[in-house]
Formats: sequence, C-alpha cells, structure tokens
Amino acid sequence: QSVLIQPPSASGTPGQRITISCSGSTSNIGSNTVNWYQQLPGRAPQLLIYSTDQRPSGVPDRFSGSKSGTSASLAISGLQSEDEADYYCSAWDDGLNVYVVFGGGTKLTVL
Amino acid sequence: QVQLQESGPGLVKPSQTLSLTCTVSGGSINSGGYYWSWIRQQPGKGLEWIGYIYFSGSTYYNPSLQSLVSISVDTSKTQFSLRLNSVTAADTAVYYCARFNMVHQHLDVWGQGTTVTVSS
Repeated sequence: QSVLIQPPSASGTPGQRITISCSGSTSNIGSNTVNWYQQLPGRAPQLLIYSTDQRPSGVPDRFSGSKSGTSASLAISGLQSEDEADYYCSAWDDGLNVYVVFGGGTKLTVL
Repeated sequence: QVQLQESGPGLVKPSQTLSLTCTVSGGSINSGGYYWSWIRQQPGKGLEWIGYIYFSGSTYYNPSLQSLVSISVDTSKTQFSLRLNSVTAADTAVYYCARFNMVHQHLDVWGQGTTVTVSS
C-alpha cells in the first residue's frame, strides 16, 4: 500500500484533457511540494513536474500540476498518443519518519 | 550534463547480499545540494524509495528497509553504492539510482535502471 494514493488507471482520447489525482496527508502533500514523474514503457522514470506546479525545461506546457490541502493533481491537456505512460506522484514526508514517498502510479491509456 | 549508470550482478541468491554501484559522470558527486539516491520497482509495481546519501556520508533510509540497507559513497571514484542484506524473492526488482535535488526536493536525474533477480 503506497503512502500516496492514485487511481490505478486513467484514459482519454487524443486532444482531450485529463487529470490524475494524488491523495496524501498533512505530513507529506499537506506540508511539502509535490513532484510528478512520467515513466514511458520500458524506460526509467523522468521528472515531469516539480515543486507542485513547475515544469523542467523541455516539458510541454500541456502538462500542469496543482495542489489543494492534502491532495494534488496532474493535468494533461491536448492529450497525445505519446503521453501513454505511467505517472507517479511523490513528496517528502516529514512525519514520524522522514523520507520520500510515492504514489502507486496511474497507467494512462490514450484511446 | 550529469548522467548516472547502475552496475552490478543481475542474479543474487536468496539470503545473500545484493550489491549495486552507481557511477556519476558529467558532474561532481561532491557538489552540495544533492542527495544520491536508490529507488526500486518490483515487477508490475510502483516506485519505492530505498534511501540516499550526501557526499559527506550522511544517510537516510526508508524505514521499512532500514535494518537491511546500507548506502555508501566513494567520492574519489564518483560512485555511490547500495547493499541490501538477506535478500528474498520480494527484492527482485529494477533498481534505479537517481540524484535528489535538496532545494526542490525532487529526483531530477535518473539512471536507466538495472534488473536484479533473486533466485537460487
């Protein structure tokens, strides 16, 4: 059971806008920034969104992140076939134990 | 541009020790502001943070693995290493090394990953 909770799957058609949720607690999302990683099939994860809503250089502005309270969201607009991947949220947890936590991942299918 | 590359045995017997090394190129492992990390992904599962080390040797470990894990750094070789003791089949996974940016608290550079199978 992952510390951060994500839906196991999501889907959309090309051009559509979809969102992926990530639910945590006051010790992680509620008090720290959220990161999102994209893992293309057979590849290592790569940073997609950091500090909740910042995009690394090279990431299209179709990808955006937000946070409210103890939940975060990743939005993808203008969905493209190459967006089909697994998406993971992550945050620093400074509760009883201090460490990096991940969500269980959401598999995005582009129909 | 910093690159990371994992290396080590692809097969480990149950109850033995898994040892992996990550070689850092294109940058200094001594540069402040980064923790050098290990993450794993069991087959068909999500990501699990194992732990990380600062160039000074300070370490942080996942509480669920803390009693079995050790991470060390060799700054002269720009390498850091993972040791996981008493492995079982559940430790079969792809192991990634990655750089953790302390300021923004994210993993900004990842290795390609190495598959380790625990089997007799």
